[in-house]
Amino acid sequence: DAGVIQSPRHEVTEMGQEVTLRCKPISGHNSLFWYRQTMMRGLELLIYFNNNVPIDDSGMPEDRFSAKMPNASFSTLKIQPSEPRDSAVYFCASSFGATTSNEKLFFGSGTQLSVL
Amino acid sequence: DQQVKQNSPSLSVQEGRISILNCDYTNSMFDYFLWYKKYPAEGPTFLISISSIKDKNEDGRFTVFLNKSAKHLSLHIVPSQPGDSAVYFCAASADGAGTALIFGKGTTLSVSS
Repeated sequence: DAGVIQSPRHEVTEMGQEVTLRCKPISGHNSLFWYRQTMMRGLELLIYFNNNVPIDDSGMPEDRFSAKMPNASFSTLKIQPSEPRDSAVYFCASSFGATTSNEKLFFGSGTQLSVL
Repeated sequence: DQQVKQNSPSLSVQEGRISILNCDYTNSMFDYFLWYKKYPAEGPTFLISISSIKDKNEDGRFTVFLNKSAKHLSLHIVPSQPGDSAVYFCAASADGAGTALIFGKGTTLSVSS
């Protein structure tokens, strides 16, 4: 298996532009997670899906952020409009199973986002 | 408010010595704890875990200790190797609540030869 695949690896954009991050989870995994890594806050959960349904989006910073999972093999995280404070590494992760707690997460390599 | 705290941003250790990485948590509902390791330009990878019904779990050079009364866990690496140099994240979850993993800020371990 190729693992969790994220694209793009790097994204540089200007403030106000729309940014779309993409993720393909490991085939057969039922849960998908979006995390953001910053120096100040470490790895923080943004949203997670189970069987393509959003379960907890309490970590989404504000309405500028949205995430979708139209099918079991694809998810997007969109920021519109983007701001410099959104600059971070965004990770997608997936796990097998209906619950989240005891399942290991498998992370993608991340998208390094820079908003100028 | 950080529910999982890694108060040491960095740790430097000589090759062959023991590395001890610490983690504190505040949520008494947490019942499962994991350590992840992250190399630059890669995503975190699972290293070792422990359930709250145990106080120790060992896997090769890596041992995790859990002190529930103190809400504290630690990761011991013995002996440390240069390849262990990475960022280590502590994570916790509450099984019954169906919550996703909550991570700490990470500790950067540097092992010198």
